[in-house]
Amino acid sequence: DTAVSQTPKYLVTQMGNDKSIKCEQNLGHDTMYWYKQDSKKFLKIMFSYNNKELIINETVPNRFSPKSPDKAHLNLHINSLELGDSAVYFCASRDTGPNTEAFFGQGTRLTVV
Amino acid sequence: GENVEQHPSTLSVQEGDSAVIKCTYSDSASNYFPWYKQELGKRPQLIIDIRSNVGEKKDQRIAVTLNKTAKHFSLHITETQPEDSAVYFCAASNTGNQFYFGTGTSLTVIP
Repeated sequence: DTAVSQTPKYLVTQMGNDKSIKCEQNLGHDTMYWYKQDSKKFLKIMFSYNNKELIINETVPNRFSPKSPDKAHLNLHINSLELGDSAVYFCASRDTGPNTEAFFGQGTRLTVV
Repeated sequence: GENVEQHPSTLSVQEGDSAVIKCTYSDSASNYFPWYKQELGKRPQLIIDIRSNVGEKKDQRIAVTLNKTAKHFSLHITETQPEDSAVYFCAASNTGNQFYFGTGTSLTVIP
């Protein structure tokens, strides 16, 4: 059973399009994240949600809109895609509280052409 | 938010030698310091972690040390093997939801 799953795994789309990436975790965790990993491999936090509430929004363009319908799901919608949005996007989850490990999804490789 | 710096960005070692990766953090409230390994095309996975009440932790060939006063922590890999080649990330977290990664170290173990 996959603990944190993302769909799709690959996404190729044209500039200006709108796309969504879905994430689901079956670990019962309270907190979920979206990270962006660019070509230099840097894992940059984008958003953090705790029990469906937005906690962290790290200077992300408002073209990116996360949505958490329940605490097991955190989806990422991106409007008006740009070339610079090309990256691997990782979803992660962890229990709230001290000293807890974050579990990652398999990543979604987004390519904007 | 937290600022985590990681060095070096790339590291090449001969098989059997040791590798050391260092990280510093800025938020004195951070109390959990995990290390993740990311193989090519795969997701980051936890390899070891340390909590603020512990100075050192070891798991077979991997060890992590923490100096809270200086706000730095290090990953030590001994007797490196080719399968240790990957990108390694340190991270720092506090009791809230903040979970920030370092910039990553690409380790290559040369057979």
